[in-house]
Amino acid sequence: DAGITQSPRHKVTETGTPVTLRCHQTENHRYMYWYRQDPGHGLRLIHYSYGVKDTDKGEVSDGYSVSRSKTEDFLLTLESATSSQTSVYFCAISEGATSLEQFFGPGTRLTVL
Amino acid sequence: GNSVTQMEGPVTLSEEAFLTINCTYTATGYPSLFWYVQYPGEGLQLLLKATKADDKGSNKGFEATYRKETTSFHLEKGSVQVSDSAVYFCALQETSGSRLTFGEGTQLTVNP
Repeated sequence: DAGITQSPRHKVTETGTPVTLRCHQTENHRYMYWYRQDPGHGLRLIHYSYGVKDTDKGEVSDGYSVSRSKTEDFLLTLESATSSQTSVYFCAISEGATSLEQFFGPGTRLTVL
Repeated sequence: GNSVTQMEGPVTLSEEAFLTINCTYTATGYPSLFWYVQYPGEGLQLLLKATKADDKGSNKGFEATYRKETTSFHLEKGSVQVSDSAVYFCALQETSGSRLTFGEGTQLTVNP
């Protein structure tokens, strides 16, 4: 299994509070992604990174920011959580240049009350 | 933009039945196509892939053929098992390293 961990695995928070989710990889892969999974929508890309300090927006980026200060860590921040951000969040990694496959972490279930 | 449409679920089958999950796509270029599987409480795992027209991806008894003329990538298995119960996602990717575009997912339940 690809070495990807996500923390926390579960979180309950209140509307208006800041939340940071962490993705950590031990594969030294260049690309990292944050997706959210919601019923009826499959997985949708929030943000992705193609290198240290290099990030870009996905299709559902509003209300989220990311940072990648080193290869192994990709942080997703909800500056002021809303109930619409209740979801399961998945991190994925990809070597990119010669491999198409994305490897997914175990997910973080976030509930915003 | 790109999009993926999967057959509506959930799908319930008896063990040893034949499985088909339909997937069609819309893309501007020539994407690679994937099927991912998600077992309860876990992340997604790549099941199979195809990178060009007429390619057939296969793994664990599952197969899917990249049909450019019908823009489809239907998942099939001849004889399902209880252990195949999971959510199946069809996805496309334009280029290596780029984002995946997913379908909505199809919940498969196989009863003994």
